[in-house]
Amino acid sequence: AAGVIQSPRHLIKEKRETATLKCYPIPRHDTVYWYQQGPGQDPQFLISFYEKMQSDKGSIPDRFSAQQFSDYHSELNMSSLELGDSALYFCASSHGPRGGLYEQYFGPGTRLTVT
Amino acid sequence: EDQVTQSPEALRLQEGESSSLNCSYTVSGLRGLFWYRQDPGKGPEFLFTLYSAGEEKEKERLKATLTKKESFLHITAPKPEDSATYLCAVQAGAGGTSYGKLTFGQGTILTVHP
Repeated sequence: AAGVIQSPRHLIKEKRETATLKCYPIPRHDTVYWYQQGPGQDPQFLISFYEKMQSDKGSIPDRFSAQQFSDYHSELNMSSLELGDSALYFCASSHGPRGGLYEQYFGPGTRLTVT
Repeated sequence: EDQVTQSPEALRLQEGESSSLNCSYTVSGLRGLFWYRQDPGKGPEFLFTLYSAGEEKEKERLKATLTKKESFLHITAPKPEDSATYLCAVQAGAGGTSYGKLTFGQGTILTVHP
């Protein structure tokens, strides 16, 4: 079965640079979530989109922005990178209307290292 | 604020030694509780969803149960390949205010020795 695809899988950036992470949800899934997982920590919700509209916002820094496109893929844009942004970034997708209770399936993640 | 607490933080078992992992939660209007398995450096793998107290679900050597305050993940006769971090997460929001975000616990690191 098709899974969530994330690219790139690994990314190394320097402080103050920008990074773009991409997420391709499972076919027919219309909701995308972004999570950040620091070393030894649990995943923290950043932001979500349903039908190309932002549906919820968590602890996402103002330096980060995201959007969902017409083909339902999503991109997380990160600017003015800081050392503390080094983490695993996961995208998850689900199928269902806003507020619906549906399982979220996670991608393999993008490991971002800021030096 | 929604809170999820998992215990123990780490659990070491011998192959075949059954045990349980605990997930306690405090949320405003639980809509669902999820269990995931996560291997190092990989994305969480979905295991179960529980919606209401009293519900139970099973998959191979794993069985998840739910009460009004906590959930248990029972592991029967574990094998070394069951070694992983097990994450519990809640989806909350009374009155339709939730749009699906998950709040995770810190996880339980399970190690099963042969």
